[in-house]
Amino acid sequence: DAKTTQPTSMDCAEGRAANLPCNHSTISGNEYVYWYRQIHSQGPQYIIHGLKNNETNEMASLIITEDRKSSTLILPHATLRDTAVYYCIVRVADTGNQFYFGTGTSLTVIP
Amino acid sequence: DAMVIQNPRYQVTQFGKPVTLSCSQTLNHNVMYWYQQKSSQAPKLLFHYYDKDFNNEADTPDNFQSRRPNTSFCFLDIRSPGLGDAAMYLCATSRGSTVSNQPQHFGDGTRLSIL
Repeated sequence: DAKTTQPTSMDCAEGRAANLPCNHSTISGNEYVYWYRQIHSQGPQYIIHGLKNNETNEMASLIITEDRKSSTLILPHATLRDTAVYYCIVRVADTGNQFYFGTGTSLTVIP
Repeated sequence: DAMVIQNPRYQVTQFGKPVTLSCSQTLNHNVMYWYQQKSSQAPKLLFHYYDKDFNNEADTPDNFQSRRPNTSFCFLDIRSPGLGDAAMYLCATSRGSTVSNQPQHFGDGTRLSIL
């Protein structure tokens, strides 16, 4: 599985967009990019995933570069409840669909 | 409604005393996973079941075993817990498929303490 590289921590002002980058320069053609977040003392929560097209859902947008070597998760209007550790995971779609988490980005939303 | 349920949320056991953590799901997913998460670290996959087929990660210690009696339930057994096994244990499920990818759904974990 491709390794992912994320900044250790980021701050974002409440109400502003939070842009969380992820590098996955060794990604293969059939590997998907997943984003999860984990709020303290809870299990990881699924946010969004994509292969090569940009994706948007009610929580966030995922922008994947054309060469697929990096991606950005966008939380359009960050709230205090978005404070969490955000994990970018690259995983081949196969029968087991195992995830191997990277170190993640600790996002702090500041009032 | 909780879809992946882990009980208890907190478990205390003694050094060397076997302990079992449980996970149940209402999603009818055919794949179930167990992760270990130590303080300030990312979750680390221990093993997973695809239907009844058990798949162990290469670096999972022999001290850790798992059982899946039916689709809905999966257990993590730690035969002789050491102090280094104190961690949050996370259970997750997904719909396994060769033609599409499916996200994993996590429970809120069981925090295991070793005395």
